[in-house]
Order: sequence, then structure tokens, then C-alpha cells
Amino acid sequence: GENVEQHPSTLSVQEGDSAVIKCTYSDSASNYFPWYKQELGKRPQLIIDIRSNVGEKKDQRIAVTLNKTAKHFSLHITETQPEDSAVYFCAASPASGGSYIPTFGRGTSLIVHP
Amino acid sequence: DAGITQSPRHKVTETGTPVTLRCHQTENHRYMYWYRQDPGHGLRLIHYSYGVKDTDKGEVSDGYSVSRSKTEDFLLTLESATSSQTSVYFCASEGGFSYEQYFGPGTRLTVT
Repeated sequence: GENVEQHPSTLSVQEGDSAVIKCTYSDSASNYFPWYKQELGKRPQLIIDIRSNVGEKKDQRIAVTLNKTAKHFSLHITETQPEDSAVYFCAASPASGGSYIPTFGRGTSLIVHP
Repeated sequence: DAGITQSPRHKVTETGTPVTLRCHQTENHRYMYWYRQDPGHGLRLIHYSYGVKDTDKGEVSDGYSVSRSKTEDFLLTLESATSSQTSVYFCASEGGFSYEQYFGPGTRLTVT
């Protein structure tokens, strides 16, 4: 099955700095890569995703890059704000029966200091 | 929050007792999932469903069973709870179009 490694486990930055979270995956059949944000005590919510036919995707201050050859993808957050503090999960998903079954990384706790 | 709820939200039970957690969604989503979340392990898939009466195992299915008799409900059963099943359980649903999973609020289960 799929194996997803996520680094770092904790990331501490100053407000306004950039943050980068990296993930690697093992199954070359994976072609959907979502990122979820989970604030303390809340449910995970999708913030951005990328399909295997796209190398980069941006949405305001967040971007995701994908290198299928190397089997790694990254989340980039620019101009970080205290409200970006949360746990971020990457996932890699092979297609299965009309949808995608994700395998999640272990999460990165991002702390943004004012 | 895509109209997805979980019940109960908190439960304390004793080792060896059966426990059933309920997930209910009002979005007519075809796919539903059960995850457990433990510190340092992220979200791990227990079981998932791709339609009424259609289910399959996930990464950590041992000790768990599921049932889906209606599109809107997905039940997770611990036949005989163990302390290792103390966790936060999240269900999620997905409509099969955008592939975004919508998570429920979670159930904190403690097995003593």
C-alpha cells in the first residue's frame, strides 16, 4: 500500500516568514494530492489539492508543488499569519472505484509567532 | 461543514464492551470514511464505503466493523473495545466529483 512521509513534524516561524512542508510517497499510482488543515480541537479541512497532471497550483498565500518523478510534493505558505497556526496533513491517493482513497502523512504542527 | 455529524461526541466505555459510533451526512455523498487520529500518527483509515452495503477495509481495520444500510448513515462498531482503541474518531464523506473529503466533528472515545 501507499506510504506517505511528512516533514518536519513541527515548524516554528515568525509572522511574515514563509513556511514549507514536504511530503514523499511510495505508490507511483497515486495521482491526487490534497492538503488538509486542522486547527486545535477542530475537524480537518481541505485547503488545496493538486492532480498529477499539474506541477504547481497556487491559491493566494498558499501553493503546492508536485514532482512525480521524485515522488514528492510540498506545501508553501507565504507571509504567514498567526491564524495559519494549525496542524497540516498531506495525503497521497491512488484512484479506487471512481474516487481516491487517501493515505495521510503524520502531520506538521505549524506555529506562527506574532 | 457539509452537513456531516457524529454521535456521540464523547464516550467512555470499559474494556470488552461493544461500542457503535454513528456518522450522518445530508449531502447525498456516495463515499464515506472512518478514520482514527492518534498523536504522532496522523489520520489512519479504518474502513470506507463506496455505496449502500459496499464497504472495504482500510489500513487499521482489525477490531472494527462497519455497516451502511442507507446513503446518509455509516456506522462504526468496536465489537469488544480495547484500551488501544482509545482515540479520536473522525468520519468523512465525499461526493465523488471534487474528491474533497468533508469531515465530521469527531468522537473522543476512551476505553478504560
